[in-house]
Amino acid sequence: NAGVTQTPKFRILKIGQSMTLQCTQDMNHNYMYWYRQDPGMGLKLIYYSVGAGITDKGEVPNGYNVSRSTTEDFPLRLELAAPSQTSVYFCASTQSGGTTDTQYFGPGTRLTVL
Amino acid sequence: AQRVTQPEKLLSVFKGAPVELKCNYSYSGSPELFWYVQYSRQRLQLLLRHISRESIKGFTADLNKGETSFHLKKPFAQEEDSAMYYCAPKMQQTGANNLFFGTGTRLTVIP
Repeated sequence: NAGVTQTPKFRILKIGQSMTLQCTQDMNHNYMYWYRQDPGMGLKLIYYSVGAGITDKGEVPNGYNVSRSTTEDFPLRLELAAPSQTSVYFCASTQSGGTTDTQYFGPGTRLTVL
Repeated sequence: AQRVTQPEKLLSVFKGAPVELKCNYSYSGSPELFWYVQYSRQRLQLLLRHISRESIKGFTADLNKGETSFHLKKPFAQEEDSAMYYCAPKMQQTGANNLFFGTGTRLTVIP
């Protein structure tokens, strides 16, 4: 199993550009998450999904959109990129979101907006 | 409001010395508590969860409900313990229970 994969690894955007960060998991997990990590800070939840067709906002959803058309994929869309979105983005998945579930993380995407 | 505090950004100890990484949380309920770790050039991964009362790689974590703390401890640090450690309580937010991550503590074990 590849686990959770993310593409791209790095990206530089200009202000106002848009892009999609890809996330795929091959563990048949129902729950998927997107986090961002700013320098010196903890991870903050952007959006999450409890299954195909269902998404919900996390702590910092503004400026982002997500979709979950399949169990495996959970892309994160940035519209009109801003310097404040410069961060490292992590995707994660877990089987059921229960209190004891382990979240499995992707390697991260480092995004710079100039 | 939910909050997680890891007061030490950096912590250095000598090999063989005891190590304690502090974590305090602010929450009105009883969260499930986790420690995640990121070793150099590796992904963030679960180290241990409170509910399992487990010891992983010699680490244990004790919940103190009165102090709302969940400190991570190891009696004898090893060089391979050098990593970034995140305390992550699972707390309710917008109707769902999700992980809240602290800012992390970078542990360096000096040979």
